[in-house]
Amino acid sequence: AQSVTQLGSHVSVSEGALVLLRCNYSSSVPPYLFWYVQYPNQGLQLLLKYTSAATLVKGINGFEAEFKKSETSFHLTKPSAHMSDAAEYFCAFKEGSGGYNKLIFGAGTRLAVHP
Amino acid sequence: DAGVIQSPRHEVTEMGQEVTLRCKPISGHDYLFWYRQTMMRGLELLIYFNNNVPIDDSGMPEDRFSAKMPNASFSTLKIQPSEPRDSAVYFCASVRGSSYNEQFFGPGTRLTVL
Repeated sequence: AQSVTQLGSHVSVSEGALVLLRCNYSSSVPPYLFWYVQYPNQGLQLLLKYTSAATLVKGINGFEAEFKKSETSFHLTKPSAHMSDAAEYFCAFKEGSGGYNKLIFGAGTRLAVHP
Repeated sequence: DAGVIQSPRHEVTEMGQEVTLRCKPISGHDYLFWYRQTMMRGLELLIYFNNNVPIDDSGMPEDRFSAKMPNASFSTLKIQPSEPRDSAVYFCASVRGSSYNEQFFGPGTRLTVL
């Protein structure tokens, strides 16, 4: 069955520290993968997406993610956290074959950044 | 582009009342999705449409919930009668239906049922 797992519902880092948010997926077909961010009282907005081109994907606000097929992972990283990165982050997966398919979202990871 | 527009942004109602949430997708997008977000259950897909036709409503919790899309620029999600457990943030999202395109989300409607 298709699924997305985000390890750690809460992650806390210091300002300036590395951010690593983990995402693993389960699928029998090539996936399309997305990271969305949700700031308080707002809708979700796209950070970046993987669509079978380059395995290292760069997104907005200095975030990037690497698709690793052998590990079925798509972890999100940022070298240096900023206070404004505090938000909830969602990994989402979609089958890459056939017509349009609905997104399957992970449970989300809430990132806290402290001074 | 104005993005996905939802109204109202906040709704407070009493148990038993009818609630109607509204969504205007991005022009040219042919898929529209309704999601519900709660602390307990996270983000849940309720229903989605393609070219105004409902494709998958398996996420609609029960018959009290209904959704319509009378044209390409408008959709409604109705709850009748509402219950306190329906309290949540409801999001609408739209996408131009190419397999690798991302969904664009509206700002959400925060529903509180007393």
